[in-house]
Amino acid sequence: DQQVKQNSPSLSVQEGRISILNCDYTNSMFDYFLWYKKYPAEGPTFLISISSIKDKNEDGRFTVFLNKSAKHLSLHIVPSQPGDSAVYFCAASGNNDMRFGAGTRLTVKP
Amino acid sequence: NAGVTQTPKFQVLKTGQSMTLQCAQDMNHEYMSWYRQDPGMGLRLIHYSVGAGITDQGEVPNGYNVSRSTTEDFPLRLLSAAPSQTSVYFCASSDNTGPNQPQHFGDGTRLSIL
Repeated sequence: DQQVKQNSPSLSVQEGRISILNCDYTNSMFDYFLWYKKYPAEGPTFLISISSIKDKNEDGRFTVFLNKSAKHLSLHIVPSQPGDSAVYFCAASGNNDMRFGAGTRLTVKP
Repeated sequence: NAGVTQTPKFQVLKTGQSMTLQCAQDMNHEYMSWYRQDPGMGLRLIHYSVGAGITDQGEVPNGYNVSRSTTEDFPLRLLSAAPSQTSVYFCASSDNTGPNQPQHFGDGTRLSIL
């Protein structure tokens, strides 16, 4: 059973516009959420995280929003840049368990 | 500035063969883990370790063994390879005893079982 779901396999946006990547989870025990970015032939790299006691965390162009009641989180990238083109994984952790979503491939067009 | 180093990068095995995927980190991290990535499924946790001498199972541990004799190294062993173990394997580490801290990933080992 997939406890973390990223329902959009791909997303295409224009350079300078906002990218919104979504993630849903089912397990209420998850208390920490992370986003990773992955380029081809490389390992994932950490992007931003949020604890379940918060509903928003910002780091430069990247903002993660958490809606605990809906078990939903989203990653906003503003403004999007061509170098942001990659696969983005949502991850949720709790009780030493870590679950990843299947990823969303973001393409930012110049 | 090596970070997490995985060897080999590619490997082809025949069904029933055994092999060890190597993982080493030079950041003195206590937490290390192994994941496999399959198409459409994201990364799935195989085994993890919170420190030397301590290992535990993740979501998909069957068919894999691990050991942690030093802080730096966390090898993953396939005892009898099966085609279902064809995947890309990632090793990761973090400076906390749990996955809440951002993990540093290696570049992966692409394994094919014929």
